[in-house]
Amino acid sequence: AQTVTQSQPEMSVQEAETVTLSCTYDTSENNYYLFWYKQPPSRQMILVIRQEAYKQQNATENRFSVNFQKAAKSFSLKISDSQLGDTAMYFCAFMKSLGRLTFGEGTQLTVNP
Amino acid sequence: DVKVTQSSRYLVKRTGEKVFLECVQDMDHENMFWYRQDPGLGLRLIYFSYDVKMKEKGDIPEGYSVSREKKERFSLILESASTNQTSMYLCASSLWGRLYSSGANVLTFGAGSRLTVL
Repeated sequence: AQTVTQSQPEMSVQEAETVTLSCTYDTSENNYYLFWYKQPPSRQMILVIRQEAYKQQNATENRFSVNFQKAAKSFSLKISDSQLGDTAMYFCAFMKSLGRLTFGEGTQLTVNP
Repeated sequence: DVKVTQSSRYLVKRTGEKVFLECVQDMDHENMFWYRQDPGLGLRLIYFSYDVKMKEKGDIPEGYSVSREKKERFSLILESASTNQTSMYLCASSLWGRLYSSGANVLTFGAGSRLTVL
C-alpha cells in the first residue's frame, strides 16, 4: 500500500518570502501522479500543482513549484513571494490508478503580514 | 464553472440515526469519491464509484455504504451513526482516464459536510 507523509504539521512564513513544504511517499510503483492540494479556511479543496512520475522536469505553476526526487521518493512544494491568500492547509497526495488519491496528513501554512 | 455540490454543510445527528450525505456534480464526470477528513490524519477514502451502480471500497468503508443510481449523484449512507463518525466528509469527482490522460484524474472537491454525532 502507498503511504504519504508530511512531517511538518504547521509552518509559518512572512509575506513575500519563500517557504518549502515537505512530502515523502512510499510506493513500489513506477507510474504514478503526485499532487499538492490546498484547502483555505472554510473553503473547498483546490488543486495547486501536479507532477507525472515519468517526467524529470519539475512542475511549476506561477509562484508554485515542486522539487520531485523520484529515487528519494520526495515531493516538496515551494511557494515563492508568499501572499496572505496562501494561508491554508496543504495536502500532498499520490495517485497510481483509477483516480484513487492517497493523502498525507496535511501542513497548515500561515502567511504573516 | 464546474461544481460539486454537497447538500448539507453542517449536520447534527443522534447516535443510531440513519444519515444520508448527498453529492451532485454537473461535469459529467465518471468517477466520484467520498473521503473523510480528520485532523492529523488527512483525507481517507471511504468509497468510490467509477460508473452508475458501480462502487468500490476505499480504505475505511466500515460503517458506511454508498449509492449511485445516476451519474451525477453519489450518496454516502451511515446506517447507524456513531460518535466516532463525527468528521468532515468531502465528496469529489473526476473524469475517468488512463493515468496520464490530460484532464483526467484531477479531483474536483465539494465544500464538505461537517457531521457531528451526539
